[in-house]
Amino acid sequence: GENVEQHPSTLSVQEGDSAVIKCTYSDSASNYFPWYKQELGKGPQLIIDIRSNVGEKKDQRIAVTLNKTAKHFSLHITETQPEDSAVYFCAASIGGFQKLVFGTGTRLLVSP
Amino acid sequence: GAVVSQHPSWVICKSGTSVKIECRSLDFQATTMFWYRQFPKQSLMLMATSNEGSKATYEQGVEKDKFLINHASLTLSTLTVTSAHPEDSSFYICSASFQPNEKLFFGSGTQLSVL
Repeated sequence: GENVEQHPSTLSVQEGDSAVIKCTYSDSASNYFPWYKQELGKGPQLIIDIRSNVGEKKDQRIAVTLNKTAKHFSLHITETQPEDSAVYFCAASIGGFQKLVFGTGTRLLVSP
Repeated sequence: GAVVSQHPSWVICKSGTSVKIECRSLDFQATTMFWYRQFPKQSLMLMATSNEGSKATYEQGVEKDKFLINHASLTLSTLTVTSAHPEDSSFYICSASFQPNEKLFFGSGTQLSVL
């Protein structure tokens, strides 16, 4: 079955710096890769997603890149702010878009 | 984004009792909803897929008689934890999407504590 690995597990940056989180997946049939932000005690919030027919997608300070050949995808956050501090999860689809396997999460801490 | 409402946000119950968690799609109809479980500082693990009008599909290792799922309408799915034990204490989260093959939105989660 699909396996998603995520690195790093924790990431500390200074406000204004960039943050990069990387994920790899195992199932070449996966075709949808969302990223979620989860704050303490809350459900995950979809922040950006990418489909397999696209190599890169950007939404203001957030961007995601996908390398299908290498089976890895990354989240890039520029000009980080303290409110970006949270746990970020990547995910990959199995059996179509809806069923997701999640990475292990990255705890991002942005210091003022 | 779409709104998925989950209730209650937290519940404390005694061992041996049953607890029901509701998941509603507020502004769209969801033929499929998913239930996840999350332990502290860990990732989300898919428990089951809830299909409107039919039986839920459970992931390997998830006891279907313990975690009863009902998806009676296009906007409501419920998860009932039966005969709860302390090891069932966890954060339970539901998700739903607009239509097949579209992005998933998550509820706010339910923290279950079994004493």
